[in-house]
Amino acid sequence: AQSVSQHNHHVILSEAASLELGCNYSYGGTVNLFWYVQYPGQHLQLLLKYFSGDPLVKGIKGFEAEFIKSKFSFNLRKPSVQWSDTAEYFCAVIPASGGSYIPTFGRGTSLIVHP
Amino acid sequence: NAGVTQTPKFQVLKTGQSMTLQCAQDMNHEYMSWYRQDPGMGLRLIHYSVGAGITDQGEVPNGYNVSRSTTEDFPLRLLSAAPSQTSVYFCASSPSGKAGKTQYFGPGTRLLVL
Repeated sequence: AQSVSQHNHHVILSEAASLELGCNYSYGGTVNLFWYVQYPGQHLQLLLKYFSGDPLVKGIKGFEAEFIKSKFSFNLRKPSVQWSDTAEYFCAVIPASGGSYIPTFGRGTSLIVHP
Repeated sequence: NAGVTQTPKFQVLKTGQSMTLQCAQDMNHEYMSWYRQDPGMGLRLIHYSVGAGITDQGEVPNGYNVSRSTTEDFPLRLLSAAPSQTSVYFCASSPSGKAGKTQYFGPGTRLLVL
């Protein structure tokens, strides 16, 4: 079975600082990878996803993530965060084959951005 | 489209009471699932369904039942509520095919068990 590890549980930044949130997964085969975001009081929504091709994927609101297969990582980045990026961020993985459609989520990273 | 809807938004139960959390989607998605979200624990899968009439257990199924009689609805039943079931519950759906890997979440139900 697959698993996901998010190393940063809480991150506090000032506006305009750069962001990188770590995500590592454990699975022996090909995977599909996702980042979801949960703004305060709201439900989860998709930020970006990787299925195949260019390992650098761009999502909404200036976020991007890089898939490094050799490191089993899918880190989320943003060059300059805003106060409105305050949210909880979840990394998720689904095996690419075998007909699975149910993701395994990491424990999440809480990001607070100070104005 | 309303997307994924959940009712109620908030609920307070006493230990031992039963209740049903409702989840409905109007996107004709085949896959539906229930997660609970607890501080520091992320999202944990309770039950899921790959189509009408088909359900299966997730990571933390004990104390919960589900059924999927229609494509649209996927209710979660708490048989005898316990304080450990205090949590925020999210329902999600996804279509089949490659696009089906993206989850669409409902707004959540916040449950307090006293």
